[in-house]
Amino acid sequence: DTGVSQDPRHKITKRGQNVTFRCDPISEHNRLYWYRQTLGQGPEFLTYFQNEAQLEKSRLLSDRFSAERPKGSFSTLEIQRTEQGDSAMYLCASSLYSGDEQFFGPGTRLTVL
Amino acid sequence: AQTVTQSQPEMSVQEAETVTLSCTYDTSESDYYLFWYKQPPSRQMILVIRQEAYKQQNATENRFSVNFQKAAKSFSLKISDSQLGDAAMYFCAYRSGNSGYALNFGKGTSLLVTP
Repeated sequence: DTGVSQDPRHKITKRGQNVTFRCDPISEHNRLYWYRQTLGQGPEFLTYFQNEAQLEKSRLLSDRFSAERPKGSFSTLEIQRTEQGDSAMYLCASSLYSGDEQFFGPGTRLTVL
Repeated sequence: AQTVTQSQPEMSVQEAETVTLSCTYDTSESDYYLFWYKQPPSRQMILVIRQEAYKQQNATENRFSVNFQKAAKSFSLKISDSQLGDAAMYFCAYRSGNSGYALNFGKGTSLLVTP
């Protein structure tokens, strides 16, 4: 296992389209996090999972956003009816249940035209 | 809500020299964790160093050390013997020890290392 992976690495879409991103955490990690990073800013928390349970959601996660983690393994983040303001880098991270360090993936860069 | 402030958008250091990146935070909690993350250009973010608030001793990892001033709510990162590979965005982050597991990041400091 080489770390957290994300797919795709880049996504270009037209406004109004739906997009879905995938994150594969480090295999033994129970916690999984999604962050969004816009240009010139630090990452902002979106949501996190403990196993398959979504335990916390940020106010940034509007009703157009939905995240899942079936069976507590990989996770998907879907954005419906994309807007230009959704253009950002979407980062996934994972950590051990009892650990504090979050290991980040390379991110998915979304561009909404 | 906790806020993390990095007041230096950009810093520059010569190879082999020492540089200090500043970070302040605002919290009413007594139990929390502080982190410095490094994000190289087009590469993923990695943890540089962490500090538990209950520990008085400043954390050190090889050439990286912190100056944790709890009363002043200050958490600076010192990089000694700077190397070209240290060039990156550096983010200071806060995590509550009581509620939630999210990292709260500052806006980052871009570090340039010149030969």
